[in-house]
Amino acid sequence: DQQVKQNSPSLSVQEGRISILNCDYTNSMFDYFLWYKKYPAEGPTFLISISSIKDKNEDGRFTVFLNKSAKHLSLHIVPSQPGDSAVYFCAASSSTNAGKSTFGDGTTLTVKP
Amino acid sequence: NAGVTQTPKFRILKIGQSMTLQCAQDMNHNYMYWYRQDPGMGLKLIYYSVGAGITDKGEVPNGYNVSRSTTEDFPLRLELAAPSQTSVYFCATRTGFQPQHFGDGTRLSIL
Repeated sequence: DQQVKQNSPSLSVQEGRISILNCDYTNSMFDYFLWYKKYPAEGPTFLISISSIKDKNEDGRFTVFLNKSAKHLSLHIVPSQPGDSAVYFCAASSSTNAGKSTFGDGTTLTVKP
Repeated sequence: NAGVTQTPKFRILKIGQSMTLQCAQDMNHNYMYWYRQDPGMGLKLIYYSVGAGITDKGEVPNGYNVSRSTTEDFPLRLELAAPSQTSVYFCATRTGFQPQHFGDGTRLSIL
């Protein structure tokens, strides 16, 4: 039973356009959601997060949207840049479980010049 | 400031051998985690620790052991290596309600 799902293994967009990465979860106890970015041969690095008390969080070109009723979140990157090409992991955690995060399988984003 | 340091970066083991993957942090974070990532998959939690002397199992603990004698170090032990343990292993730390900080991983092949 996969509690965090990223249904698109890959996404390709043109430089300057919007990238939208999606994530669905099933566990109602999750109350904190994060996106991590991973380049080859490196560890994941934190990108942006959102608490369940919010429906949107913005940081520069990155915006995360949370729809609790649908148990769905999305990451928008505008405008997309070639340097954004990486694997993006969605992660979810509960404030009651020692900060353990459950990760999706990742979406590989390719931004073409 | 090194952050989270994992050693070795690469290792090839024979079936049945044992080894310890090292993880060291210099951020004084209480929480530490070990994940494995198989090709095309997300990160699966192996073990975690909420502080020195306290460890607990994650989602996929079988075949592994950990210890946490200091805040800084959280080694992961493989006792009898099996091909199914071929993976990339990531160590991460966290403090408070902040996101996790990851090391760059150890790539382990068991042949």
